[in-house]
Amino acid sequence: AQSVSQHNHHVILSEAASLELGCNYSYGGTVNLFWYVQYPGQHLQLLLKYFSGDPLVKGIKGFEAEFIKSKFSFNLRKPSVQWSDTAEYFCAVNAPMDTGRRALTFGSGTRLQVQP
Amino acid sequence: NAGVTQTPKFRILKIGQSMTLQCTQDMNHNYMYWYRQDPGMGLKLIYYSVGAGITDKGEVPNGYNVSRSTTEDFPLRLELAAPSQTSVYFCATNKPGSGQPQHFGDGTRLSIL
Repeated sequence: AQSVSQHNHHVILSEAASLELGCNYSYGGTVNLFWYVQYPGQHLQLLLKYFSGDPLVKGIKGFEAEFIKSKFSFNLRKPSVQWSDTAEYFCAVNAPMDTGRRALTFGSGTRLQVQP
Repeated sequence: NAGVTQTPKFRILKIGQSMTLQCTQDMNHNYMYWYRQDPGMGLKLIYYSVGAGITDKGEVPNGYNVSRSTTEDFPLRLELAAPSQTSVYFCATNKPGSGQPQHFGDGTRLSIL
């Protein structure tokens, strides 16, 4: 079965620190990969996505992610975090060519706390 | 353009009661989904639909039912509420096609007491 692992459950950083959140997935076929952010009390919003082409994907708010197929990874990065980045971050994957797997499978999330 | 609208935003139910969580979208998206989010967990897929008249079970369908009579609406029904169904429920939609992101509603926070 398809699964997504986010190894960092809670990350605390100071402002201006660099961020890298890990995401690994298990699925042998073609995948689409997503990072969503959920600010406190709000719904999930798309940060960035990968479905083909350049494995380094740039998203909103200065975030980027790199798809490394050989490692089944899609880590999220930001060079310098801000207090406003405090939120929960979810990695998600789907398999668009697999009818039974087109819905997103989510990781358990990483809670990022940025201290001023 | 409202996007994905979920009602109600909050609800408290007693064990054994029933209710319907509403989800409406105005983006003409074929695909719609219901997820539940438990504390400290990612979202788990309950049911999904690839178009009007077509629904299918997701990862955690037990205790729930859905219908999709129109493109716009995808209600989720709890027939006999149980404490294990206390959760935040999110509806999402997307267009068909590779790489299409899902658009989420604001969620319904449901407590079963």
